[in-house]
Amino acid sequence: DTGVSQDPRHKITKRGQNVTFRCDPISEHNRLYWYRQTLGQGPEFLTYFQNEAQLEKSRLLSDRFSAERPKGSFSTLEIQRTEQGDSAMYLCASSREAEAFFGQGTRLTVV
Amino acid sequence: GIQVEQSPPDLILQEGANSTLRCNFSDSVNNLQWFHQNPWGQLINLFYIPSGTKQNGRLSATTVATERYSLLYISSSQTTDSGVYFCAVEQGAQKLVFGQGTRLTINP
Repeated sequence: DTGVSQDPRHKITKRGQNVTFRCDPISEHNRLYWYRQTLGQGPEFLTYFQNEAQLEKSRLLSDRFSAERPKGSFSTLEIQRTEQGDSAMYLCASSREAEAFFGQGTRLTVV
Repeated sequence: GIQVEQSPPDLILQEGANSTLRCNFSDSVNNLQWFHQNPWGQLINLFYIPSGTKQNGRLSATTVATERYSLLYISSSQTTDSGVYFCAVEQGAQKLVFGQGTRLTINP
């Protein structure tokens, strides 16, 4: 078990471009979460999947953001028409019961 | 929603010193975790501790759920302990709410 894996680790994009991030959870973890962390702050919840069902979305997740978890395995987070304010670390976590485990994160810079 | 406050926000110590980090939360919780965020940004699990006391080497943690606080103890600090420590709680909504973190700096 290699833990939660995220790809890419870093992404620099121009404002207005679309970006997609991938998260591979720990195998057999049925719960998957996305969080966003800006500089100097704690991570903030974005969305949560149980298996393939997206059960909760934060108000932080604007219409430009979409997340999927086809077949209840890996997940993708897409940001359309990126803005400078989207620059942040995007963290994925998975759990089977209560304890969540995080990936290394994807650091997004919008220029 | 639930509020999570960590103190102190910053802590600077010499190698070998002991430290205590505090996490207060505003309502009852069913999950509490402590994490160490390394310089590359990854959150490393330290403890899953909704109540009681646990120890792992030089680190230990205590959560007093009835009084809505948790403490993380680091003994004989090493420079590799430097980083940001986060407390996060879950109220049953299947999501963690994080505090603002404590930035710990251990000087050689």
